Amino acid sequence: AQKITQTQPGMFVQEKEAVTLDCTYDTSDPSYGLFWYKQPSSGEMIFLIYQGSYDQQNATEGRYSLNFQKARKSANLVISASQLGDSAMYFCAMREGPHNNDMRFGAGTRLTVKP
Amino acid sequence: DSGVTQTPKHLITATGQRVTLRCSPRSGDLSVYWYQQSLDQGLQFLIQYYNGEERAKGNILERFSAQQFPDLHSELNLSSLELGDSALYFCASSVAPGQGNSPLHFGNGTRLTVT
Repeated sequence: AQKITQTQPGMFVQEKEAVTLDCTYDTSDPSYGLFWYKQPSSGEMIFLIYQGSYDQQNATEGRYSLNFQKARKSANLVISASQLGDSAMYFCAMREGPHNNDMRFGAGTRLTVKP
Repeated sequence: DSGVTQTPKHLITATGQRVTLRCSPRSGDLSVYWYQQSLDQGLQFLIQYYNGEERAKGNILERFSAQQFPDLHSELNLSSLELGDSALYFCASSVAPGQGNSPLHFGNGTRLTVT
């Protein structure tokens, strides 16, 4: 069964600094995808970044990058140059293989950016 | 705007009642997913449909049911409501199973309050 673990219930970061949000996962399927979503206080779920299990390079999207360590089964989100608008809940999620298409989420990390 | 439409945005009802939540997927998406997010919790996967057929089932209670119609919109029916059913219910869509690298696109959710 899929399992996603986010061990940091809350994180604080100073504006303009970088922050890493941790995510570990457990799967026996060699083919899977890892996703990060942002949920601001308004409630919507915003897709940030994707990493495939066969991707050789770490994914990047603007200020977001994913530190993918396959052997350790970790997929940490790095946000560079934090902005006040980055304050939100962040969820790590995984989707296994081509035949099991549901996506399972971790418990989330609440990030607060301090001015 | 994700392109996924959920109605209503808010719903207040009493214990024991039945409600129907509606979701229209993004244009071109064949698969619809339902998630439940209780207060300050992660997203719990309920059920997935693909082109009208049930594809995967998660932690969905027997009091809950869903279906996807020929026009691909979906409805989640919640009956014999309990106080603990109060939550934010999300619908999400994606193109098709087998596309493991495609993110889910979320609607803005329906906030259900059971009194």
